[in-house]
Amino acid sequence: GAGVSQSPRYKVAKRGQDVALRCDPISGHVSLFWYQQALGQGPEFLTYFQNEAQLDKSGLPSDRFFAERPEGSVSTLKIQRTQQEDSAVYLCASTRRIAGVYNEQFFGPGTRLTVL
Amino acid sequence: KQEVTQIPAALSVPEGENLVLNCSFTDSAIYNLQWFRQDPGKGLTSLLLIQSSQREQTSGRLNASLDKSSGRSTLYIAASQPGDSATYLCAVRSSGNTGKLIFGQGTTLQVKP
Repeated sequence: GAGVSQSPRYKVAKRGQDVALRCDPISGHVSLFWYQQALGQGPEFLTYFQNEAQLDKSGLPSDRFFAERPEGSVSTLKIQRTQQEDSAVYLCASTRRIAGVYNEQFFGPGTRLTVL
Repeated sequence: KQEVTQIPAALSVPEGENLVLNCSFTDSAIYNLQWFRQDPGKGLTSLLLIQSSQREQTSGRLNASLDKSSGRSTLYIAASQPGDSATYLCAVRSSGNTGKLIFGQGTTLQVKP
């Protein structure tokens, strides 16, 4: 398929475990975004990449959250020492060009993280 | 700080009815506004994107309008169908940032047969 893909789709972690969530953007999309969506809420911005450069990480809630995109394609969101409040759906989105004025964001299906 | 609000939070209508979903934002300095649909347990599907210079966009039974000066957008759904049941989210991309979207909390729509 030509859409944004994410894996795993579901992840259950015990409190204190580390998790890694993967995002495969649409081929050729240089911009990649991560969002966090709590139950019953709209998504909230976490971080943004332009190619391999992380240009905005202002939405990361703590230093336990880390994201990378080393080759400017696949991205990984890592959460260390997970806490129950980290339980949410993590959404990845990509856009075709550098985040300019006129770009539509395309979203993946999300990873639902449950921390017990 | 940009804030996006959607009213109502939930809406239930009989099949065939025309309906309007509302979205308001506090800072009119936006680049664009995007409407999404989200089905339970699923990701977001883009419905319509309105640039700041545009007044409306149409796709099939959907029409989205934008009044930037008043900080409002509406999504009009004509002849609603049970398959339209979902959560509808609006999101704005504000000027002067890296392209991140600021979302409302969504309107959950139920269309009854």
